[in-house]
Amino acid sequence: AQTVTQSQPEMSVQEAETVTLSCTYDTSESNYYLFWYKQPPSRQMILVIRQEAYKQQNATENRFSVNFQKAAKSFSLKISDSQLGDTAMYFCASLSNDYKLSFGAGTTVTVRA
Amino acid sequence: KAGVTQTPRYLIKTRGQQVTLSCSPISGHRSVSWYQQTPGQGLQFLFEYFSETQRNKGNFPGRFSGRQFSNSRSEMNVSTLELGDSALYLCASSLGLAGVSGELFFGEGSRLTVL
Repeated sequence: AQTVTQSQPEMSVQEAETVTLSCTYDTSESNYYLFWYKQPPSRQMILVIRQEAYKQQNATENRFSVNFQKAAKSFSLKISDSQLGDTAMYFCASLSNDYKLSFGAGTTVTVRA
Repeated sequence: KAGVTQTPRYLIKTRGQQVTLSCSPISGHRSVSWYQQTPGQGLQFLFEYFSETQRNKGNFPGRFSGRQFSNSRSEMNVSTLELGDSALYLCASSLGLAGVSGELFFGEGSRLTVL
């Protein structure tokens, strides 16, 4: 299984501002998938964005975008125009050839009004 | 379309007891994966079932087991409970094998407290 590292346990951002969450991973595979999942307080975890490693273009979903640096094994998530509803724990995850999803420890994001 | 449903949502057990958790996937989804979430260890993969067969397994002791029924509903069982088993147990369903797409749909979880 791959190792996924999220080095920021907590982050705080003012409403309408931008926040970037970092994620690094460790893999020897040439093709794999990366994900960001969001877990709001006491609610279901949902998929935010997905990136296929063989695609050069960074994935974007509305206000959420990633910066995928394959050589550096880095996969950061940028939340633009932060909203109160973005308050949640965010997990970076990778899918390896053993067909298991490996999750990072998570980053708690608090959006301040 | 109804989401992933997990029951019970909360339960309290004592050491040595056993517990069974249930998960109903989204209609049409054939894969069910289980995860254990704790503050210290984060999200750890338990196992995945697809078409009533266990397709993948994490590094948990044999006290943790599961099964899947013909309607894709799944149960997981933990026997001889230990204090360290206190956690949020998350179930996730996917259309095909989770390990192919990685796109999981999660339930709200079953929070187990072991006293």
